[in-house]
Amino acid sequence: RKEVEQDPGPFNVPEGATVAFNCTYSNSASQSFFWYRQDCRKEPKLLMSVYSSGNEDGRFTAQLNRASQYISLLIRDSKLSDSATYLCVVNLPGTASKLTFGTGTRLQVTL
Amino acid sequence: DTEVTQTPKHLVMGMTNKKSLKCEQHMGHRAMYWYKQKAKKPPELMFVYSYEKLSINESVPSRFSPECPNSSLLNLHLHALQPEDSALYLCASSQDSFFRPGHGYTFGSGTRLTVV
Repeated sequence: RKEVEQDPGPFNVPEGATVAFNCTYSNSASQSFFWYRQDCRKEPKLLMSVYSSGNEDGRFTAQLNRASQYISLLIRDSKLSDSATYLCVVNLPGTASKLTFGTGTRLQVTL
Repeated sequence: DTEVTQTPKHLVMGMTNKKSLKCEQHMGHRAMYWYKQKAKKPPELMFVYSYEKLSINESVPSRFSPECPNSSLLNLHLHALQPEDSALYLCASSQDSFFRPGHGYTFGSGTRLTVV
């Protein structure tokens, strides 16, 4: 089983739609969780951290369910500029900070 | 300054060449990382430096040799690479290598390497 699993997509949605991505992780001792965004041929950029209580940043909402080892990202009112690959990222426990990336979910927002 | 700067942005090298990738940050971060990313794949960790000491080597072949001259600089020396080593090489930094809730990495824009 992969350490971090995501549906690769692609998700094709019209502008204004709400879309949700899911991610599962295998190590129950994982400590930090993030969503990164990566545009084509660019570096990953931190979109938001994911906290146990859930957190929101504008149109983006992240949720963490430790019992199910499950992370989600909800995007409301999708914009064309949201088109990108969204990477679920987990900090595995250990002596050094080691982020492990999921394979990413590709989102394409269309007119 | 909240950036991680990588040079060069693009590099083409032959299998017998020796080249170096450079990474610099001035955020006072004490952990720095090299990742390798192939097309349509997620980044894969290669090395972690913590307080200028190598703390993780993910069984990377010796043709890749990292170096951390000081807390702001990270190099990756390349020698006798293979065509399958062609990829985007990403440098990243974080405050330090200890667990800090909510603290992710800052990535550089990467060096796109082609080995011919």
